[in-house]
Amino acid sequence: EPEVTQTPSHQVTQMGQEVILRCVPISNHLYFYWYRQILGQKVEFLVSFYNNEISEKSEIFDDQFSVERPDGSNFTLKIRSTKLEDSAMYFCASSPSNTDTQYFGPGTRLTVL
Amino acid sequence: AQTVTQSQPEMSVQEAETVTLSCTYDTSESDYYLFWYKQPPSRQMILVIRQEAYKQQNATENRFSVNFQKAAKSFSLKISDSQLGDAAMYFCAYMTTDSWGKLQFGAGTQVVVTP
Repeated sequence: EPEVTQTPSHQVTQMGQEVILRCVPISNHLYFYWYRQILGQKVEFLVSFYNNEISEKSEIFDDQFSVERPDGSNFTLKIRSTKLEDSAMYFCASSPSNTDTQYFGPGTRLTVL
Repeated sequence: AQTVTQSQPEMSVQEAETVTLSCTYDTSESDYYLFWYKQPPSRQMILVIRQEAYKQQNATENRFSVNFQKAAKSFSLKISDSQLGDAAMYFCAYMTTDSWGKLQFGAGTQVVVTP
């Protein structure tokens, strides 16, 4: 069964550093998403992406964040200058359309020191 | 703004018994989607069940079923014949038809299954 994959599974970085989290969505899906979950809290929407453009973003997704689909398979989330409060689990998801079920990757745990 | 409320931080159930998790949501939309996702200790988010608001029939997926009460804006999940593998955090989620796939999650309910 096709699945969403994410790398790395765990990333440790120093405050102020840039990080890139990578995702490979399911191959025939057209919509891509990033969510984050701070430990012990609810899952929060960050951004949705379709046709090489951001379609919707939350207030969390400020200028420090960017997304890109650099080729036909990868979907990346970049955090330009990490803060302590960016420490969280980051989930990528994909779906065939914006109303279909979203399938989540296993997550990347980001730790900012 | 839409909000999703899960009022039970934790529910405990014995193996083979039934447990019901509650979820309420606030919306002015008439058409939307509701989901239950399961998050085991691995923290992977796994779809349990999906319900379209325009469908009156409650969704069922093997031992998992929902009680969707549109007028009351309630969407509870029933787990029948509970198994040890059902132990996880369960999140209720809401999505409008005119959003770009933005899922809004509740705070979650931790299900503990005892032998």
